Amino acid sequence: KAGVTQTPRYLIKTRGQQVTLSCSPISGHRSVSWYQQTPGQGLQFLFEYFSETQRNKGNFPGRFSGRQFSNSRSEMNVSTLELGDSALYLCASSLTGLFQSGANVLTFGAGSRLTVL
Amino acid sequence: SQKIEQNSEALNIQEGKTATLTCNYTNYSPAYLQWYRQDPGRGPVFLLLIRENEKEKRKERLKVTFDTTLKQSLFHITASQPADSATYLCALPRKGGSQGNLIFGKGTKLSVKP
Repeated sequence: KAGVTQTPRYLIKTRGQQVTLSCSPISGHRSVSWYQQTPGQGLQFLFEYFSETQRNKGNFPGRFSGRQFSNSRSEMNVSTLELGDSALYLCASSLTGLFQSGANVLTFGAGSRLTVL
Repeated sequence: SQKIEQNSEALNIQEGKTATLTCNYTNYSPAYLQWYRQDPGRGPVFLLLIRENEKEKRKERLKVTFDTTLKQSLFHITASQPADSATYLCALPRKGGSQGNLIFGKGTKLSVKP
């Protein structure tokens, strides 16, 4: 089955602009999580969506937002871009996003590499 | 707050040897721990999951241990090959978080020399 698809793979923006990244999860997966990866901070959790509802949000400013559609596809948006937003943005899908004691494995996409000039 | 540390940023070993990577965590007792592999320019790929009531888990040449007393997990690759060269990440579920909310270590970059 197809994996997690992220678009675009690469993009260059300038400070002050905004960007929208897209993620199509594995068919049947209802949870989509977003992570930011930088050399200095590693992987940092941005937010998670399940059934079009934001379940969790990481410690990022309000310029970072997201949403999930009824077909589980998700988008994240970063407004008023700053140089420090340059990073690899990773989307991951999993079967469920519920609060439960069971473990859940994440399947990541290849990421969208954003460069802010 | 929860912290997770992977002791080595980089590990260089000779082909055929066993690579051992370490993951330590504090201020938390997770129900499970996961290991992922990441190649340059790609997203992490899940390798193994070990639960708190499991001491050891194996998958082909991979072995993971989980010591809840020491708050440590060890990840072993036996008979290592150059194709095993990658960055390996350990991850824990965030306390009180949902399933997609994991805390990742910064990773250990493994280089296997022929």
